[in-house]
Amino acid sequence: SAVISQKPSRDICQRGTSLTIQCQVDSQVTMMFWYRQQPGQSLTLIATANQGSEATYESGFVIDKFPISRPNLTFSTLTVSNMSPEDSSIYLCSADRGSYGYTFGSGTRLTVV
Amino acid sequence: GENVEQHPSTLSVQEGDSAVIKCTYSDSASNYFPWYKQELGKGPQLIIDIRSNVGEKKDQRIAVTLNKTAKHFSLHITETQPEDSAVYFCAAYTGNQFYFGTGTSLTVIP
Repeated sequence: SAVISQKPSRDICQRGTSLTIQCQVDSQVTMMFWYRQQPGQSLTLIATANQGSEATYESGFVIDKFPISRPNLTFSTLTVSNMSPEDSSIYLCSADRGSYGYTFGSGTRLTVV
Repeated sequence: GENVEQHPSTLSVQEGDSAVIKCTYSDSASNYFPWYKQELGKGPQLIIDIRSNVGEKKDQRIAVTLNKTAKHFSLHITETQPEDSAVYFCAAYTGNQFYFGTGTSLTVIP
């Protein structure tokens, strides 16, 4: 079955610091996506990451706050910068894995104190 | 942009009964419709999906139906089991982006 590995699975961070979340796909994919999910809420797309180009950010999300890297076709990172308690959320990466469908990682539960 | 509405927001069924969750979408260009199951503390798990050239798809106890004319699609779970209890999300894909429903919390009562 499709595997997208995401780490860390959870973290508690001090405000003002940054956290980088890693996402590894077990096959090459063109696009990877980063989402945020507030507790009990649906998923909100942060940005789309294509290999070899700048990520495309959705309204309300900016590169300075959520820089994304996509160094190859199986890996991406999302950094949450200068964190505040409002950034506490679940962060999810996803990718279209062809016949396996559009699948998600297990998520990173971030708490900012 | 696309707008996906999902109903009901909560659903309780007796074990063995069927559960139906419905979603509507607004953009006729949407062409891919996945359903996800999310258990507490986990990421969404793809359980079934359907493309716009198909009206129905079934996988064991789970089925999805799509009505392109009415712009709605539904998830059907038969012979529900307690382990089916979770939050279910529908989504519609148009252009290069997914739009998600607001989720349905399903509880299967033993």
